[in-house]
Amino acid sequence: DADVTQTPRNRITKTGKRIMLECSQTKGHDRMYWYRQDPGLGLRLIYYSFDVKDINKGEISDGYSVSRQAQAKFSLSLESAIPNQTALYFCATRDSSEAFFGQGTRLTVV
Amino acid sequence: AQSVTQPDIHITVSEGASLELRCNYSYGATPYLFWYVQSPGQGLQLLLKYFSGDTLVQGIKGFEAEFKRSQSSFNLRKPSVHWSDAAEYFCAVVYPRSYIPTFGRGTSLIVHP
Repeated sequence: DADVTQTPRNRITKTGKRIMLECSQTKGHDRMYWYRQDPGLGLRLIYYSFDVKDINKGEISDGYSVSRQAQAKFSLSLESAIPNQTALYFCATRDSSEAFFGQGTRLTVV
Repeated sequence: AQSVTQPDIHITVSEGASLELRCNYSYGATPYLFWYVQSPGQGLQLLLKYFSGDTLVQGIKGFEAEFKRSQSSFNLRKPSVHWSDAAEYFCAVVYPRSYIPTFGRGTSLIVHP
């Protein structure tokens, strides 16, 4: 089993719909992150959490929200999806040494 | 704010040729430095990392990187590229006490037979 699991792997949704992307990890790490990847822009940080009671905005948090349900689970929500949120989304965890990434969720908003 | 620059958006090399991908970070305290690779349709895989000590670090898949403090650089190298190395490469930094990985925009490597 993967250390960091994202569901779904692919999703097509309509403009205005609410959608949740889920992330779970088996690494036992406190630090979790959500990034989005767009061609030519690299990975940009959306939200991060350093423990269950800690939620912080990243550089591009507008239009997104998160929930840290447990140490192992960190969900990203789009309350009302719009086409420019079409992207590849990555969840990551980090220990003191390195970050570990999920396989990504490819989201298309039509 | 911390930042990472990868000056080359695309690099094309012939199979068997040497490779160098550039990465520069913003001035200030020396961060932890990383190189990741992303194959098509895949997540990110760590190639190598630098925290301190020897400035030449060895990674997986025959890659190495050299940290140069005077140039604020951490360039990735490989002496002989294989077709399977075609992928997107990302440089990342984490400043001490920040705990937040910041990524460059990536360099797409194209390998010609």
